[in-house]
Formats: sequence, structure tokens, C-alpha cells
Amino acid sequence: SQTIHQWPATLVQPVGSPLSLECTVEGTSNPNLYWYRQAAGRGLQLLFYSIGIDQISSEVPQNLSASRPQDRQFILSSKKLLLSDSGFYLCASLVRGRAGEQFFGPGTRLTVL
Amino acid sequence: AQSVTQPDIHITVSEGASLELRCNYSYGATPYLFWYVQSPGQGLQLLLKYFSGDTLVQGIKGFEAEFKRSQSSFNLRKPSVHWSDAAEYFCAVGSPSSGSARQLTFGSGTQLTVLP
Repeated sequence: SQTIHQWPATLVQPVGSPLSLECTVEGTSNPNLYWYRQAAGRGLQLLFYSIGIDQISSEVPQNLSASRPQDRQFILSSKKLLLSDSGFYLCASLVRGRAGEQFFGPGTRLTVL
Repeated sequence: AQSVTQPDIHITVSEGASLELRCNYSYGATPYLFWYVQSPGQGLQLLLKYFSGDTLVQGIKGFEAEFKRSQSSFNLRKPSVHWSDAAEYFCAVGSPSSGSARQLTFGSGTQLTVLP
């Protein structure tokens, strides 16, 4: 079975500072990976997805970027954080052969002050 | 494009009462359908899913959902709610023909409060 690690679990950053959130996946190979953001009281917004190393698709234009330097590592970054970047960031992995089912990590709570 | 509507933002039920959470989707064919649950500060956990076959699907924690093609609905039910069921519930739709991306579209969620 899959396991997804996300770190840090919580982060408080000032406006204008850089960001790096990491997601690593165990128990599967060559997974599709996804970054979602969940703002307070709102649903999930898909930010990026990746079907392989260095293959990133962006769903929403913003000041965030994503990278996938290794098969099971997915990184979310920003050069300068905005207040509106605050939220709960979730990494997910596609469960192969399970009809589109996604498996989610525990999330990172980001507060931008 | 596919979309998901969860018309109830917040539902309150008493412990032991029955529960139904509504989900309507928009998609040209039969989609893959999912219900996830999220406890505060946690990731999402899959409750159940439908992709073909029997339209009544059973999930974990005593939940079930019924796919109704004519109503474009996939409502979640539980006959007797427990206090531990208090959480946020998300309905999601996926496309069998989404190619390699396999994206899911999520509803905005329904927050469930359980009264003792």
C-alpha cells in the first residue's frame, strides 16, 4: 500500500519569503502526483499535476511552481509568498488500477503573515 | 467540463440519526465517482467509489452511496451516525477518458456536525 509523507506539517512564513514544500511517496512507482490547495472553509483546488519526472502541468496561474526531480518526489515552491497563499496543501498520488482513485498525504498547513 | 455540486454546506444531525449527503455531478457519460472524508487538520480518506456495475456501493465506516444516472447524483448515506463521523465530506468525479492525467474534480464539501 502507498504512504505519502509531507513536510513540514505546519509552516508560518512572512509575506515575500520563499517556500518549499516536499512530498514523497512510498509503495508505488511512476505515480501520477498532484498538489492541491484548500483555503479555509473551501474545497480543493488542483494546483499542479505530474505524470512523470520533470513533467509538470499547471492548472491555475499563480506565483507557485512545482517540480518533480525524482520519480516519487514532488516539490511545491514559491519565490515570494503572498497572503493569499495561506492554506492547507495536500499532495496526492494516483492509485494505479483503481479507476482514478487518489491517495492523499497528511497535508501542510501554511500561514503567511 | 465536469463539475460537482454539494448543495449542503453544513448539516447537523443527532447521534444515532440517519444521514444523507447530496452530490450532483455534470458529465457527458458515466464518470468515476468518489466520496472522501476529511477530519480537521488531516488529509482526505476514501470512503467509497463507483466506476461500474452495481449502483449501490458499500464503503468503510458503514457508509454507502447510490449512483443514479437519471438524476446525475451520487448521494452518501449512513443509517446511524456516530459522534466520530463529524468531519467534512467531499464528493469527487473523475473521467474514464481523462487520458494520463486522471484528474479529479471535487465538490466544495459538506461539513457534518453530530450532536450528542
